[in-house]
Amino acid sequence: AQSVSQHNHHVILSEAASLELGCNYSYGGTVNLFWYVQYPGQHLQLLLKYFSGDPLVKGIKGFEAEFIKSKFSFNLRKPSVQWSDTAEYFCAVNGGSQGNLIFGKGTKLSVKP
Amino acid sequence: DTGVSQDPRHKITKRGQNVTFRCDPISEHNRLYWYRQTLGQGPEFLTYFQNEAQLEKSRLLSDRFSAERPKGSFSTLEIQRTEQGDSAMYLCASRSGSAGSPYEQYFGPGTRLTVT
Repeated sequence: AQSVSQHNHHVILSEAASLELGCNYSYGGTVNLFWYVQYPGQHLQLLLKYFSGDPLVKGIKGFEAEFIKSKFSFNLRKPSVQWSDTAEYFCAVNGGSQGNLIFGKGTKLSVKP
Repeated sequence: DTGVSQDPRHKITKRGQNVTFRCDPISEHNRLYWYRQTLGQGPEFLTYFQNEAQLEKSRLLSDRFSAERPKGSFSTLEIQRTEQGDSAMYLCASRSGSAGSPYEQYFGPGTRLTVT
């Protein structure tokens, strides 16, 4: 069965620190990968996605992620976080025929001003 | 594009009661998904509609759960004889069936259910 693992449950950083959130998936076929973000009190929003092509994808608000097929990983990065990045981040994979997403448990990011 | 909307946003009910939630997808989206999210977990897939046809149901969707999407527009999710374990956030998402962004799902704000 497909699964997604997010390594960090809660990450606390100071503003301007660099961020890397880990995500590993298990699926043998062609995958589409996503990072969603949920700001406090708001609904899930798409941060970035990978379908094919360049394994380094750029998303909104300065986030990027790198797909490494050999490691089954899709880690999220940002060189310098801001207080407004405080949110919960979810990695997801879609490999099924009906398009449903398989989510990780999420990583809560707290950025100290 | 007004986004995906869900109603109600919060529902408190007593164990054993029936509840129904509504989801209005983005108007041109023919694919609609229901997910459930509990504390400390990511969303888990419940069921999927393409137009009015319910094409897939997760094993999480017990017999007490039923979903409909009449006329391929809005969808409803009903839970009969609610149990405390049903307490969760119920999320709806929709996406286009066109080839442009085939797997990008747009989520609604969710309905938070509390069963007392």
